[in-house]
Amino acid sequence: DAGITQSPRHKVTETGTPVTLRCHQTENHRYMYWYRQDPGHGLRLIHYSYGVKDTDKGEVSDGYSVSRSKTEDFLLTLESATSSQTSVYFCAISGTGEQPQHFGDGTRLSIL
Amino acid sequence: RKEVEQDPGPFNVPEGATVAFNCTYSNSASQSFFWYRQDCRKEPKLLMSVYSSGNEDGRFTAQLNRASQYISLLIRDSKLSDSATYLCVPGGTSYGKLTFGQGTILTVHP
Repeated sequence: DAGITQSPRHKVTETGTPVTLRCHQTENHRYMYWYRQDPGHGLRLIHYSYGVKDTDKGEVSDGYSVSRSKTEDFLLTLESATSSQTSVYFCAISGTGEQPQHFGDGTRLSIL
Repeated sequence: RKEVEQDPGPFNVPEGATVAFNCTYSNSASQSFFWYRQDCRKEPKLLMSVYSSGNEDGRFTAQLNRASQYISLLIRDSKLSDSATYLCVPGGTSYGKLTFGQGTILTVHP
């Protein structure tokens, strides 16, 4: 399995609080992605990174920010969590734009 | 037209059956495709990559028809453990971004 670790695996928090999810990889891959998955929807891209300090928005980026200060870590931050951000969040990595992505185990986030 | 369309199913088949899923895609320039499987509440796992006309890995065969813009996945001798959602994903986009549909649900029963 690809060396991807997401933390925390589960989190329950309250509306309005900041939340940061971490994705750590040991594969030295250039590309990293954050998705959310909700019932009735496929995986939807939130943000992605194509190198250290190089990030861009995906399909559903409102309310989220990201940072990548080193190759192995990609952080997803919810500045002020809302109940609509309750979801399962997956991180994925890829060596090149042509290669498939490999996913972490996911983070289950509940915002009350 | 959606970037990728799959029959959501569910497909319910007995053990040992052969089952095939089709996936149509809209971008005729797509050069690569990926089949993922996703178990309930788990992460998607890569099943197979397709870069040419097809690929085969054990009981699984993918066939690509570029003229008609569809890709199929054939599963032979189905096992109970094959029960999952199967996702067809066109690749080769800028920055490797992938678009996932809701996939096809397969249930294999005894």
